[in-house]
This record gives sequence, C-alpha cells and structure tokens, in this order.
Amino acid sequence: DIQMTQSPSSLSASVGDRVTITCRASQSISSYLNWYQQKPGKAPNLLIYAASSLQSGVPSRFSGSGSGTDFTLTISSLQPEDFATYYCQQSYSTPFTFGPGTEVEIK
Amino acid sequence: EVQLVESGGGLVQPGGSLRVSCAASGFTFSSYEMNWVRQAPGKGLEWVSYISSSGSTMYYADSVKGRFTISRDNAKNSLYLQMNSLRAEDTAVYYCARGARGIRFAFDIWGQGTMVTVSS
Repeated sequence: DIQMTQSPSSLSASVGDRVTITCRASQSISSYLNWYQQKPGKAPNLLIYAASSLQSGVPSRFSGSGSGTDFTLTISSLQPEDFATYYCQQSYSTPFTFGPGTEVEIK
Repeated sequence: EVQLVESGGGLVQPGGSLRVSCAASGFTFSSYEMNWVRQAPGKGLEWVSYISSSGSTMYYADSVKGRFTISRDNAKNSLYLQMNSLRAEDTAVYYCARGARGIRFAFDIWGQGTMVTVSS
C-alpha cells in the first residue's frame, strides 16, 4: 500500500498569511493527488485534484503543485473560513489512502 | 441540487451486521462511480470501498475485505454497504462519496455521513 504523510500535523496562522502544507507519498504517484478540506462535524470538500487542478467553485487562493512523491497545498491569503483540517489523498492505486491531516488553527 | 443522504447507522454488537444506505439525487446516479469512506471519532479519513457505475467492479480496503460488501441499485439511485462480522475498530462515521467524472478516483460530492457504533 502507498503511505501518505503530511507536514506539519498542525499549524497556527493569522488571517492574510500564506500557508503551505506538504504531502509526501511512499512511492511515485505521478500527479494522482487530491486535496480536501474538512470542517468540524462536516463532510470533506474536494479542493484540488490531479495535484494542481482547482475544483469548480473553490476560491483561487487555493493552489496545488508537485508530482512524483512530493506535493504542496498553498493558501495564498488565509481567510477566516479556511480554518479547517486538510487531507491529501492518492488516487494512483487501491487502497486510495489519505494523509493523516493538517489542522490549520487561528493564531 | 446534487445530494447524497446516508442512512442506516446505529449501535451494533461486535460480530453483528448492519447495512448502511446512500440515496442519491440531483444527478444521473448510474453514470457515476461511488465510494464509501469512513472516519473514526477524532481520527482521519479512511477509504473503505469503491464500485463502478455499472456495479461490475468493486474494490475494498484490506481492513474490511471479506466482511463488507458494496452494492448499488441504479434503478433506485441507491448505494449500499453491507457490513458483517463488525468489530470495535469499525466504529466510525461512514460517508458515501461520488467519484468525480473524468478525474481518477477523486471524490467530489459527499453525504453528511451516518454513524456506526460497534459496542457491547
């Protein structure tokens, strides 16, 4: 199975900050990497697919990059509604594993 | 409105069985791949199972293989997960999630989830 790791596991940031979250796969997954946002008590929401494509309806302050084993999610200017947990997910092969999550908290 | 609504969760004893369902509306259900994803209390997301649009192909996580069965009824716009030989570690919120069209195994629409608790 492909293992996914994320760093950091949590971070504190202020509104307006630029935030970067890293996701690493245990083997090459090409660009088959997706990012989700989850708020407490809610279902996840797809933000980025295929490493760098913005899902319809998602604000342009979210962006993704990377290929192979190393990927990043960037929020260019953090907004109050962005405080949530972010998960990466590989869609290269079954089982479609998720990273452990990165919790973005208010500083 | 595109919507997925899960039902059927509840409290079940270890070794017991439960079937959870997911009702789809607002889109052509028969054209989409579907998945189950679960989340244990306070934990991260775990993909559980996949089914193709026709129902001919299924995949499972090793943790549930041989115990859980995914199925669908395209005439009823419904997805199911039959869970047998349940264990305490199966306790989680179970989400149904639609496979995004043309995007390899990304999940673009999620239900609100149904809680399954395995305990004596």
